[in-house]
Amino acid sequence: EVQLVESGGGVVRPGGSLRLSCAASGFTFDDYGMSWVRQAPGKGLEWVSGINWNGGSTGYADSVKGRFTISRDNAKNSLYLQMNSLRAEDTALYHCARGSASDGDYVGSFDYWGQGTLVTVSS
Amino acid sequence: EIVLTQSPGTLSLSPGERATLSCRASQSVSSSYLAWYQQKPGQAPRLLIYGASSRATGIPDRFSGSGSGTDFTLTISRLEPEDFAVYYCQQYGSPSTFGGGTKVEIK
Repeated sequence: EVQLVESGGGVVRPGGSLRLSCAASGFTFDDYGMSWVRQAPGKGLEWVSGINWNGGSTGYADSVKGRFTISRDNAKNSLYLQMNSLRAEDTALYHCARGSASDGDYVGSFDYWGQGTLVTVSS
Repeated sequence: EIVLTQSPGTLSLSPGERATLSCRASQSVSSSYLAWYQQKPGQAPRLLIYGASSRATGIPDRFSGSGSGTDFTLTISRLEPEDFAVYYCQQYGSPSTFGGGTKVEIK
């Protein structure tokens, strides 16, 4: 059974940093691209960042470019999101999601999602 | 980036009725890189349709997707009680973007 379990969320002050993790199991992690998708409270979905199967290709939404860094450790079946210079508008539930592209690219639909970890940016 | 506009914002229907949801893109979506998701309260999104018209694994055939270019449609042929939820479209060019969602509620 495919499982994606996020952790690392919490309350942080504006300008602060946080590192999210996603532990993957039930599939061959290094066959798949992965992404982070967030959802502000009561709002819709926003793609944040993606990474291909070996970490050689990454992408970011304009809203987080230069502040967030995505990475992965295939030996640990884990995905990460380093978030710096956090703003109030970054407050959201952050989901990790598996890409469905057969070539391991992060560009694609998302066939499995974690339940998310909540990030609250507030003074 | 491609902006996706979903309509209507809310669809009020009864079980057994047909639901037609629209997703319009601000520019052409390449290679029909368009997906649909269902989300229920407190749950993660669930992939229904990818490639504009291909059903994901385990999705009932009452769900169907169609369209190309800038206009896409998700159709639920006969609504079951478990289908009342919020539906999102996504285009997966780079960067990927989502529509604002359509809520299908019980009339």
